[in-house]
Amino acid sequence: DIQMTQSPSSLSASVGDRVTITCQASQDISTYLNWYQQKPGKAPKLLIYDASDLETGVPSRFSGGGSGTDFTLTISSLQPEDIATYYCQQYENLLFGQGTKLDIK
Amino acid sequence: QVQLQESGPGLVKPSQTLSLTCTVSGGSIISSGGYYWSWIRQHPGKGLEWIGNIYYSGSTYYNPSLKSRITISVDTSKNHFSLKLSSVTAADTAVYYCARLRQYAFDIWGQGTMVTVSS
Repeated sequence: DIQMTQSPSSLSASVGDRVTITCQASQDISTYLNWYQQKPGKAPKLLIYDASDLETGVPSRFSGGGSGTDFTLTISSLQPEDIATYYCQQYENLLFGQGTKLDIK
Repeated sequence: QVQLQESGPGLVKPSQTLSLTCTVSGGSIISSGGYYWSWIRQHPGKGLEWIGNIYYSGSTYYNPSLKSRITISVDTSKNHFSLKLSSVTAADTAVYYCARLRQYAFDIWGQGTMVTVSS
C-alpha cells in the first residue's frame, strides 16, 4: 500500500508569511493527490485536486505543486482565517496524510 | 447546490451495529457526473480515515481494514445512502462524515455526526 507522510506535523507562522507544507508518497503517484483544509469543529474542505488544480472558490493564495512522490501546498501570504489542519490525500486507496496543524505565531 | 446531511444515533452499545444515513439535497444521487458517495470518519483529535464508497448502481468499494464489518447501501428513491458498521467497539467512536467523491476528490462534505460507542 502507498503511504503518505506529511511534514511538518505542526507549524507556526505570522500573518503575511509564505507557508509550505509537504506530502511525500512512498511510491510514484503521478499527480494523483488532493489537499484539504479542516477548521476546528468543521468538515474538511477541498482546496487542491490533481496536485495543482485550485478548487472553485478557493483563494488564489493557495497553490499546489509536485508530482511523483513529492508534493507541496503553499499559502503565499498567510491570513488569520487560514488557521486550520491541512491534509493530503492520494487516489489509489483514498488514504489521507496524518495532517499538518497550522497556527498563528 | 448539492448538500449532504448525516443522521443516526449518537450513542451505540458495544457489539451492536452502527447505522447512519446521508441524505443528499439540491441534486440527484443519480448524476451524470459519475459521482461516488462516500463515508469517512475521524477519531477524536486524529486524522481522516476513508471507510467506503458506493455508486448509485450499488457498486461498492470498502477500506480493506474495515471491509468485514461494513455495509454501504443506496436508496435512489429517497436520494440517500447508508452505512452499517457491525460489532462496534470503543475504537469506532468517531465523527462520521459523508461526502461526494468526484474523480478521487471528496468535493462536498456533510457536517459530520459524532458517534460514541459506550455501554
